[in-house]
Amino acid sequence: QQPVQSPQAVILREGEDAVINCSSSKALYSVHWYRQKHGEAPVFLMILLKGGEQKGHEKISASFNEKKQQSSLYLTASQLSYSGTYFCGTTRGGSNYKLTFGKGTLLTVNP
Amino acid sequence: DTAVSQTPKYLVTQMGNDKSIKCEQNLGHDTMYWYKQDSKKFLKIMFSYNNKELIINETVPNRFSPKSPDKAHLNLHINSLELGDSAVYFCASSHDSESEQYFGPGTRLTVT
Repeated sequence: QQPVQSPQAVILREGEDAVINCSSSKALYSVHWYRQKHGEAPVFLMILLKGGEQKGHEKISASFNEKKQQSSLYLTASQLSYSGTYFCGTTRGGSNYKLTFGKGTLLTVNP
Repeated sequence: DTAVSQTPKYLVTQMGNDKSIKCEQNLGHDTMYWYKQDSKKFLKIMFSYNNKELIINETVPNRFSPKSPDKAHLNLHINSLELGDSAVYFCASSHDSESEQYFGPGTRLTVT
């Protein structure tokens, strides 16, 4: 079951904040976040596990609400380098360890 | 120094041909993957191997056949290429199925 990401696209000015959401209709074990710049490979940002804590580094953090099967990625004081497509990927645990990605959120940060 | 490498980077071929894409990782990871990213950027898993054993085989035409000669390599062979196979194919690896995945640079396959 593919997770649903919102919004599909967002345009920011440098220094503004953004939130990207990821939700699933199925119980989740983990949520993974990746960023892909145009013409490049996806790059890992963070993993949130069921029962784990909110993660973050620098100005990018994320939360995982297990009861609602939702995760949010928070980007604060955005920089030009944050531009790209953000993907969430989810696993359901147990024998189902397949990482299923959402359709992505295109983030554009303008000067 | 490259963690996950793929060859070739670009592949242009005609319908009906057979082609292979090679992937190698030097991270010592046990798990490797093939993903397909279509023109709409949808990133979909195709196969996953753990210690040379196939553990995920999504609904992929049997024209696609992965092969893992050892833990560090996962190749993808495609028979009778079709127009719809045009996409970017990414190889990735991770320590285990719940760990961060490291992606290769991708192979852009164009079928004419």
